[in-house]
Amino acid sequence: NAGVTQTPKFQVLKTGQSMTLQCAQDMNHEYMSWYRQDPGMGLRLIHYSVGAGITDQGEVPNGYNVSRSTTEDFPLRLLSAAPSQTSVYFCASSYALNQPQHFGDGTRLSIL
Amino acid sequence: AQSVTQPDIHITVSEGASLELRCNYSYGATPYLFWYVQSPGQGLQLLLKYFSGDTLVQGIKGFEAEFKRSQSSFNLRKPSVHWSDAAEYFCAVGGKAGGTSYGKLTFGQGTILTVHP
Repeated sequence: NAGVTQTPKFQVLKTGQSMTLQCAQDMNHEYMSWYRQDPGMGLRLIHYSVGAGITDQGEVPNGYNVSRSTTEDFPLRLLSAAPSQTSVYFCASSYALNQPQHFGDGTRLSIL
Repeated sequence: AQSVTQPDIHITVSEGASLELRCNYSYGATPYLFWYVQSPGQGLQLLLKYFSGDTLVQGIKGFEAEFKRSQSSFNLRKPSVHWSDAAEYFCAVGGKAGGTSYGKLTFGQGTILTVHP
């Protein structure tokens, strides 16, 4: 079982560059979300989706875009990378809110 | 707005000792409550969850948590800690409050557990 797969695992960008963090799940989950994890701040919700074609903003959406064209995939786009976006990014999925969220192993992103 | 507070940033215990990690939440309706554990370089793994019913819930790895509505708390406990329990622990709150809050989980800042032999 692959579960939730995130790619890449590590990435270094220069300020102003754009990139897409990939997230795919093979569990047919409707609910998917993106979090960023920073020391001492826990996980903060960036964007989430309750199904294909439906996305909404979380706590810290600025500088990020998402789309959900299929149930399986939920990519996160950084439009113009900034040093403040240096973080570890986690994607998660679940059948619904009242079901456990399954997390990927994370993408460690550094913006220089 | 929903929020979670984990008052202890770092806790150190000896192997075999009991453990209690504190979690206080703020939520306007009946909350869904979760505890997750994160080992270094890994994603988060669910330890246990509370939705309704019995306020004492059992989880994996010998952990349990008690929901106390009057204290807005959901503390995690383990009677005897093992060295392999060293990790970071996160409490989270969510629930179907309607509108744009549907589907949102809010995490606490995390508690790092160190276990001494």
